[in-house]
Amino acid sequence: EPEVTQTPSHQVTQMGQEVILRCVPISNHLYFYWYRQILGQKVEFLVSFYNNEISEKSEIFDDQFSVERPDGSNFTLKIRSTKLEDSAMYFCASSENVQGIGNTIYFGEGSWLTVV
Amino acid sequence: GENVEQHPSTLSVQEGDSAVIKCTYSDSASNYFPWYKQELGKGPQLIIDIRSNVGEKKDQRIAVTLNKTAKHFSLHITETQPEDSAVYFCAAKGGRRALTFGSGTRLQVQP
Repeated sequence: EPEVTQTPSHQVTQMGQEVILRCVPISNHLYFYWYRQILGQKVEFLVSFYNNEISEKSEIFDDQFSVERPDGSNFTLKIRSTKLEDSAMYFCASSENVQGIGNTIYFGEGSWLTVV
Repeated sequence: GENVEQHPSTLSVQEGDSAVIKCTYSDSASNYFPWYKQELGKGPQLIIDIRSNVGEKKDQRIAVTLNKTAKHFSLHITETQPEDSAVYFCAAKGGRRALTFGSGTRLQVQP
């Protein structure tokens, strides 16, 4: 069964450093997402991406964050100047469509980011 | 924006019993309601979803009901097994907007 894959599974970084989290969405999907889950809390939406541009973003997704689709398969989340409160599990997700049949969103296994 | 409330936050049942998790949503434009199961250290896994043109959907031991008038939907798991133990999240979505999650229910099935 096709799946969303994410790397790295776990990254520890120093406060103030830049981090890039990588994702390979399901191959025929056109909509890509990043979500965040702080330990023990609910899954929070960060950003959605379609046709090489951001289609929606939350208040969390400020200038510290950026997303990119550098090639035909990868989708990345860059976090600049990391802060302690950025420590969380980051989930990449994808869907075929954004509404109607095919809007089911499939999640990857996550990248656990620890900022020290 | 959408706000999804989920109850209970924890639920403990005996193996073989049924479990029910309830969610309410605020945005009447929401029309897609998935349920995800999350095991420790893993990503949310879709277990069932329902769209607003149906009131109930069943898949083996799992069923979801939707009441659009009252803006609530529920997950029912029958004949629970220890491997059903996990955190379950409801979510809601309308149109092109992002998926909004509930706060999660930790289900513990006691053998």
